[in-house]
Amino acid sequence: GNSVTQMEGPVTLSEEAFLTINCTYTATGYPSLFWYVQYPGEGLQLLLKATKADDKGSNKGFEATYRKETTSFHLEKGSVQVSDSAVYFCALSYSGGSYIPTFGRGTSLIVHP
Amino acid sequence: SAVISQKPSRDICQRGTSLTIQCQVDSQVTMMFWYRQQPGQSLTLIATANQGSEATYESGFVIDKFPISRPNLTFSTLTVSNMSPEDSSIYLCSVRQGVSSYEQYFGPGTRLTVT
Repeated sequence: GNSVTQMEGPVTLSEEAFLTINCTYTATGYPSLFWYVQYPGEGLQLLLKATKADDKGSNKGFEATYRKETTSFHLEKGSVQVSDSAVYFCALSYSGGSYIPTFGRGTSLIVHP
Repeated sequence: SAVISQKPSRDICQRGTSLTIQCQVDSQVTMMFWYRQQPGQSLTLIATANQGSEATYESGFVIDKFPISRPNLTFSTLTVSNMSPEDSSIYLCSVRQGVSSYEQYFGPGTRLTVT
């Protein structure tokens, strides 16, 4: 079956540090890949997505590239801010039909001033 | 995109009681989902609720414990029945705007504590 594996957290960084959160997946066919962010006390928000191999999703300074050869979709940001402190979820899904997205376990990011 | 609101945002309930969570969407949506997120865990799908049909429950979840209503294309409720402390979680409503769409939108969640 399909699965998503994320690096264990929490990831603790100082402000302006470089961020990488690793995500790898197992899936059949050609899924779309997503990063969601959950700020404290809130629901999940779609952060970025990529729908095919070599696509790069980007939003709010975050980027992730769909790498089919390594089945990865790592999240990166060049300079994190305290306001980026949140839990980040990697997910995969398929267009069409009634497929329910598969989510990773989430990675907590804590950014210190 | 869809804007989703949930009521209540949080509640503290006694063991053995029931709580109904409401989910309201600002547009008509085909598919609605209810998830549970236990502390420090990922999302677990409870059921899919499509208007005009019975909810479809995932393994480990049953209708008697988590009855769901979906009276129209913008509203749904989830009831957590006969609660125990193990039901303490965040309950999230989520929607997909079309069968061909793969983007899901989430409500802010209902934080439930059972004492």
